[in-house]
This record gives sequence, structure tokens and C-alpha cells, in this order.
Amino acid sequence: AQKVTQAQTEISVVEKEDVTLDCVYETRDTTYYLFWYKQPPSGELVFLIRRNSFDEQNEISGRYSWNFQKSTSSFNFTITASQVVDSAVYFCALSEADSSGSARQLTFGSGTQLTVLP
Amino acid sequence: NAGVTQTPKFRILKIGQSMTLQCTQDMNHNYMYWYRQDPGMGLKLIYYSVGAGITDKGEVPNGYNVSRSTTEDFPLRLELAAPSQTSVYFCASSFVGDNQPQHFGDGTRLSIL
Repeated sequence: AQKVTQAQTEISVVEKEDVTLDCVYETRDTTYYLFWYKQPPSGELVFLIRRNSFDEQNEISGRYSWNFQKSTSSFNFTITASQVVDSAVYFCALSEADSSGSARQLTFGSGTQLTVLP
Repeated sequence: NAGVTQTPKFRILKIGQSMTLQCTQDMNHNYMYWYRQDPGMGLKLIYYSVGAGITDKGEVPNGYNVSRSTTEDFPLRLELAAPSQTSVYFCASSFVGDNQPQHFGDGTRLSIL
């Protein structure tokens, strides 16, 4: 069975601070996908990044960066120079791969509520 | 291009009533999904479909039914609403073969009183 653990329920930082959101996953599959989604107060889910299990390269996109480490089954997300608009719930999710290698249904962590104070 | 559209956005039901949550996507995606999100929790999979005429249970299917008669539509039916089904329901879709992420609708907030 797959499992995603986001141990940080709530994090508060002051604007311009860096913040890292932790994600630890469990799976027996050798091929899988990891995702991060953002859920702002308005409630919709916004896709941020997808990583497959064969690509351990870290990725940077503007102020966002992701650190994928298979050895520790972690896929952590860092926001640099946080802004008030980053306040949201962030979900880490895991997907097994089907026979074609495509991502299937998602298993979500319980989310981390990030509050960025001005 | 509307993406994934869910209706209604809000609904209040009485215990024992039934209703159908509508979901339609215009991206010609093969896969469609229904999730529920309880307060302070992540999303849990209710049902999913890999194509028209094919559906399968997810983690929390009890009390729900689905059908997939077309590629575009994936309605979720609650037959006998119970307070435990108070939640926010999200429909999502994805395209098989190119490892794209799931596209989510804006959600339906459902309260059972």
C-alpha cells in the first residue's frame, strides 16, 4: 500500500524567509510519480510539479525548488524568499504507474498549511 | 478550453436524500477520478475510470456510485446521503501516455444535515 506523510501540519514564517515543506512516501513500486499541489484559500488545486522515480535531479522553478531523494524516500519542497501570496495548503502526492508507465490515481498526504506573515 | 467543470459548486442535502454531482472535461482525457476532501485532510479517492464504460473503486467507495458512458462525463451519485458524506468533492482527469498531471475541477462543497 502506498502512503504519503507530511508531518508538518502548520508552518508560519515571516515574509522573505525561506521555508521547506517535508514529504516522505512509502511504496513498493519501482516506477512511481511524485507531485506537489497547492490549494489556496479559494479551494482549487494547483499543480506545481511532477517527478518520476527515475529522475532524481533537483528542480528549480523561480522561487520554488524540489529535492527528491530515493534513499530517504523524500520529496521536499522549498520556497525561497516567501511571499504572502504563498499562503496556502500544500499537498504532496504519490501515484503508481500502470502497465504503460503512466501515472494513475493519486495518494495524497494530509497537507501542510503554510502561513506567510507580512 | 474549460478544463474540468463540476456542478453544482455548493449543495445542502437532508439525510436520506440522493443527488448526482456532475463532472465533465473537454480535454479528451482517458482517465477521470473522484476524490473527497474532509476538513484538514488530504484528498481520498472514491472512484476512478480509465475510459468510457470502465469504472473501478478507490479507497472510499461506500455510499457512492459512478458511471462513465462518455469520455467527457463522469457523474458521481449519492443514493442515501449521510452526515459522514459532508465533504468537498473534487473531480479530476488525466491523459494516459504522456505522464501529465491530473487536472482538477474547482470542487463541490456538499453538506448533509
